[in-house]
This record gives sequence, C-alpha cells and structure tokens, in this order.
Amino acid sequence: GENVEQHPSTLSVQEGDSAVIKCTYSDSASNYFPWYKQELGKRPQLIIDIRSNVGEKKDQRIAVTLNKTAKHFSLHITETQPEDSAVYFCAAPGLTGGGNKLTFGTGTQLKVEL
Amino acid sequence: GAVVSQHPSRVICKSGTSVKIECRSLDFQATTMFWYRQFPKQSLMLMATSNEGSKATYEQGVEKDKFLINHASLTLSTLTVTSAHPEDSSFYICSARDGFSGTYEQFFGPGTRLTVL
Repeated sequence: GENVEQHPSTLSVQEGDSAVIKCTYSDSASNYFPWYKQELGKRPQLIIDIRSNVGEKKDQRIAVTLNKTAKHFSLHITETQPEDSAVYFCAAPGLTGGGNKLTFGTGTQLKVEL
Repeated sequence: GAVVSQHPSRVICKSGTSVKIECRSLDFQATTMFWYRQFPKQSLMLMATSNEGSKATYEQGVEKDKFLINHASLTLSTLTVTSAHPEDSSFYICSARDGFSGTYEQFFGPGTRLTVL
C-alpha cells in the first residue's frame, strides 16, 4: 500500500511570511495529490490538488509543487494570515493494485502568529 | 455542490450499547464511501471502504463485526459501532467519492464525535 510521510509536524510563522509543508509518497503509480485543511473539530476541506501530469499548480496564495521522480510534493502558502492557522494534511491514492483510497500524512499544525 | 452530511454530529452512549452513524451525499452519487476515525491530534485513519451494493473492505486491524458498514444506496452509508466501549470514543468522519466523475476527490462529512461512558 501507499506510505505517506509529512514534515514538519508543527510550524510557526509570523503573519505575512511563507509556510512550506512537504510530503513524500512511496507508490510510483500515484497520480493525484490533494491537500486538506482541517480546523479544530471540523471536517477536512480540500484546498488544492495536483495531478501527475503537471509540476506546479497555484491558486491565489496557495501553491503545490510535485516532483514525481523524487516522489515528493509540497504545499506553499504565501503571505500567511491568522486564519491560515489549522492542521494541514497531504494525501496520495496509492494506485498499485487498483486501489482508490487515500492515504493521509500525519498532519502539520500551522500557527500563524501576529 | 458536492455536499456530504453526517448524523448525528455528537453522541454520548453507555458502554455496551450500539451506535449508528449516517453519511449522506446530498447532491451527487456516492459510488464509494470511506469511513475514517481520528483521535485527538492525530491523522485520519481509514477504517473501511464501501462501494454501493457491495460489502465493505476493511483496513487491517479493524474488526468488521464490531464496525458494521452498509452502503445500500448511492446516497447513504451507515456505520454501526456495536457493543461500544470507552476505547471506541473518537471522531468518526465519512467521505464520499463520485466514481462517475472520473476523479479521486473525496468530499468529507462534518464528522461525529462519539463518547462512550
């Protein structure tokens, strides 16, 4: 099955700075890489995703980069704001064997300080 | 679009009782539904995957006789925690995927906080 590792586990930044969260995956057949934001006690919300036919995708202050050769992908948040404080999870589907489930990383607690 | 509801949002029960949690896709056909469990400050751990009209596939270590999953229609899946014990207290979240869309995107329900006394 898929194995997803996520770093760092906690990240504190000053408001306005950038934040970067990195994930690695093991299944070279994986072709879809979503990032979720989860606020305390709430459901995970998809914030951005990338497919393996592109190397980078951007949506306003959020961007995701993918390196298929190295099997890692990263989330970049620029001009961070206090409302960006949450737990962020990466995921990968692990398609070898025909699976369609997502394996999640261990999460990154992002704190944006004023 | 792509709204998933979950009911109840919070339940407290006595040890030994059974609890049923419902997960509904409101505006799309959920060909596949997933059930996760999340302990405080931990990641989402997949418990089982269910395809409409088929038996659920359970992850290693998840007792299928304790966590009964039914996915009888394209809009509803249920998780029943049988003979619940305090160690089953957790945040249970469902998600749904529209297999007809050709994407892997999963849409999550709001979760159910289960407390077993």
